[in-house]
Parts: sequence; structure tokens; C-alpha cells
Amino acid sequence: NAGVMQNPRHLVRRRGQEARLRCSPMKGHSHVYWYRQLPEEGLKFMVYLQKENIIDESGMPKERFSAEFPKEGPSILRIQQVVRGDSAAYFCASSPPPFSGSGYNEQFFGPGTRLTVL
Amino acid sequence: AQKITQTQPGMFVQEKEAVTLDCTYDTSDQSYGLFWYKQPSSGEMIFLIYQGSYDEQNATEGRYSLNFQKARKSANLVISASQLGDSAMYFCAMRDGTYKYIFGTGTRLKVLA
Repeated sequence: NAGVMQNPRHLVRRRGQEARLRCSPMKGHSHVYWYRQLPEEGLKFMVYLQKENIIDESGMPKERFSAEFPKEGPSILRIQQVVRGDSAAYFCASSPPPFSGSGYNEQFFGPGTRLTVL
Repeated sequence: AQKITQTQPGMFVQEKEAVTLDCTYDTSDQSYGLFWYKQPSSGEMIFLIYQGSYDEQNATEGRYSLNFQKARKSANLVISASQLGDSAMYFCAMRDGTYKYIFGTGTRLKVLA
């Protein structure tokens, strides 16, 4: 059973360009979460999505950031007009539906995408 | 507001010794979960151990055990018989009553040969 997949693993962008980060959840998981890890910090929640729905985007910056999880295909985190402060590791996690009786609702993390903005 | 505090930015331990990584948390929820993750230099997040707020016994997973003291709101990770491969960042995290994970700032553990 393949784990959570993220690509690319490393992404370099110049200021003002767009960054698109992809996340394929584990098989059977319909819930996706994005987290951001700034250098020397812990992960911070950004957004929680189900297929075709944004459930909670309280951690997303108000501008330039968007996320989607279409009916088909991976979840996408999109950052428009990147700035140096966007340089970070972006982690995706997936889970079965919370409180679905599947244990302690563990989120399974992908390997992360390291974004560097020049 | 929910918060996780890890007060040890860095720790050293001799190979084969035990080490305790501290974690305290703050929440007003009655139902919550506590997790520890390991992040090696390669960057991935590796799940180590989980403790539910209603679990009466401390969780154990191989060489990892979680010292859960609910009244003190602490969830320290104990690694027994440290190995060189244990050198990594360790993050304590809390899941509130729903789905959101809150992470601490991490402790960098270095195991010495």
C-alpha cells in the first residue's frame, strides 16, 4: 500500500513565479491536510480538504495561497507570486474520515516538498 | 488556545543510554490525542507513538514509550537504548477534538558513539 506521495520533492522558484505542489493521498483516504514548516520550526496547519470541498482553511494566508482536491487527481497547493518568505517545507497528510472508527485518526504524512524562492 | 511546548532545543545522549524528551501541552478539550514524530535529516515525518487523553496506560512502541501525566499536562517521550540512527529532530504534536494537529518547535537529538 503506497504511502502519501508528494511531488516535486524540491522546487525552486524565482520571486513572482507560481509554485504548484501536488499530493496524492494514501489509497482509501479521502481527507487531505496541508502543513507548512518554516526553517527551525514545527509544522503549522494550513488547510483541510475533502474531495471537491475545502473544510477548514483557517491556516492559509489570505492572499496568494489556494488549495484544491478535485474529484479526480491529486490535491494541489498553489502559491502565486512567490516571495522569499514562502521558502519552507510543505507537508501533505491524509487520513480516512475522522471518527470513522479507524483508530486514533492518525494522519499519514508525505515526504514533503521543499520550496526555495530565490 | 491549544499549545505544545518543547523546551529543549537540543539534546545529547550517549549510545545505548536512555533519553527523555519533554513535551507539555495546553488544551481545554477533554478529548485529544498526543503524538510524537521523528524527522531525520532527509526531512520526512515518521510517526513514533500515540497517546489518547482517555488512555490510562502509558503508550509503548518498541524502544519508545510515552510518559503521560495528564494532571501535569505533560507527554514526554522516552527512548531506551539509544542508537546512532535515533539522531534526528523530534516533534510532539496534539490533535484537538477534531482533526487539527498542533506541533511543538521540536528537539534536536544527537546520539554520541
